[in-house]
Amino acid sequence: DAMVIQNPRYQVTQFGKPVTLSCSQTLNHNVMYWYQQKSSQAPKLLFHYYDKDFNNEADTPDNFQSRRPNTSFCFLDIRSPGLGDAAMYLCATSRDHSLADNTDTQYFGPGTRLTVL
Amino acid sequence: GNSVTQMEGPVTLSEEAFLTINCTYTATGYPSLFWYVQYPGEGLQLLLKATKADDKGSNKGFEATYRKETTSFHLEKGSVQVSDSAVYFCALTFQTSGTYKYIFGTGTRLKVLA
Repeated sequence: DAMVIQNPRYQVTQFGKPVTLSCSQTLNHNVMYWYQQKSSQAPKLLFHYYDKDFNNEADTPDNFQSRRPNTSFCFLDIRSPGLGDAAMYLCATSRDHSLADNTDTQYFGPGTRLTVL
Repeated sequence: GNSVTQMEGPVTLSEEAFLTINCTYTATGYPSLFWYVQYPGEGLQLLLKATKADDKGSNKGFEATYRKETTSFHLEKGSVQVSDSAVYFCALTFQTSGTYKYIFGTGTRLKVLA
């Protein structure tokens, strides 16, 4: 029944050591999102893919990159993690990105909690 | 700009008490409004939504009405249960540069005691 799957659920990395977080979906949705959620804060959108089109938020640091090799998978790469990048990372998908429909619902995975030592 | 403001938590209630979690928003245009819930160790789940003024979203006993005149979307439930303990996020969507973006509030933690 799992629809949006994130692996791993918990990731520990060292300061400056590259890390990749994974998201997969069984919904065949054409939009996938990555959010960063720090403790007691709202989720913050980092970027999203509409099919293969990548859309970066203006304030997302260059340290964060993403790849979407196919419809089902999307990866978040953190090239040189700093202590400030410790957070929960949420992946989400949505079915329709039509401008005519602004009621689109996002489906979230369980998140990956990243610890930076 | 667009923003969402929620009441600070935690909100602690006894079982069967009445719940209100306040949410107000600032937006240009006509956003859709959502409530998401996050149970411990899980991702966000859509609880309810409303797409235009005076719409009422409802699900699992929770309700919220889109009030354009007060720019509010307060979440209510008549009788909470221990299983409702979670973090609740108010959110809006808006169009910008040909895409849709979501803005979330900071979340309100609800604790329901037996």
